[in-house]
Amino acid sequence: ILNVEQSPQSLHVQEGDSTNFTCSFPSSNFYALHWYRWETAKSPEALFVMTLNGDEKKKGRISATLNTKEGYSYLYIKGSQPEDSATYLCASINSGYALNFGKGTSLLVTP
Amino acid sequence: DADVTQTPRNRITKTGKRIMLECSQTKGHDRMYWYRQDPGLGLRLIYYSFDVKDINKGEISDGYSVSRQAQAKFSLSLESAIPNQTALYFCATSGQGAIGEQFFGPGTRLTVL
Repeated sequence: ILNVEQSPQSLHVQEGDSTNFTCSFPSSNFYALHWYRWETAKSPEALFVMTLNGDEKKKGRISATLNTKEGYSYLYIKGSQPEDSATYLCASINSGYALNFGKGTSLLVTP
Repeated sequence: DADVTQTPRNRITKTGKRIMLECSQTKGHDRMYWYRQDPGLGLRLIYYSFDVKDINKGEISDGYSVSRQAQAKFSLSLESAIPNQTALYFCATSGQGAIGEQFFGPGTRLTVL
């Protein structure tokens, strides 16, 4: 099993702060890197899917970058809001296998 | 209506009982997955199916079996439930290829006493 690691495990920021999380994944036989947002009592929802080295994706205040050579991705949230509070999951696909998820970063944004 | 549905949403059962969790999807996807989520462990893959005739074991398949009855239906069975199978179970679907984002069902909370 190929490990996907996420850091930090949890994060508590104030409204308006910008924040970022890290996902490290195996760089060998890499196919794609997924980011999901998982709110309490709901199902995970896809944020981004990235495949190419140097990819950058953006959705509103949230953006992500990808480095496939060194095996890491960053997720950035600019000007965090309380509604951004959720667990953020990353997952990689290597060798055409199914998604391998990290344990997630739990974000709490307080007013 | 939800694209991915799971039944039941909650279930309490006893050790040794057989239980089936069902998943249906209306997205027309070929790929379907079963995950379990335990606190502090993230999502772990139990089984996955890339089409009706394809079934593959995931990271933690022991104690589980699956059936892909049709493109739209993928069931997970616990032949003889045990307490450490108490968890939140998610079904998911995706389109072809590694870039297909996964769409998750609402989850089934299973408690084995």
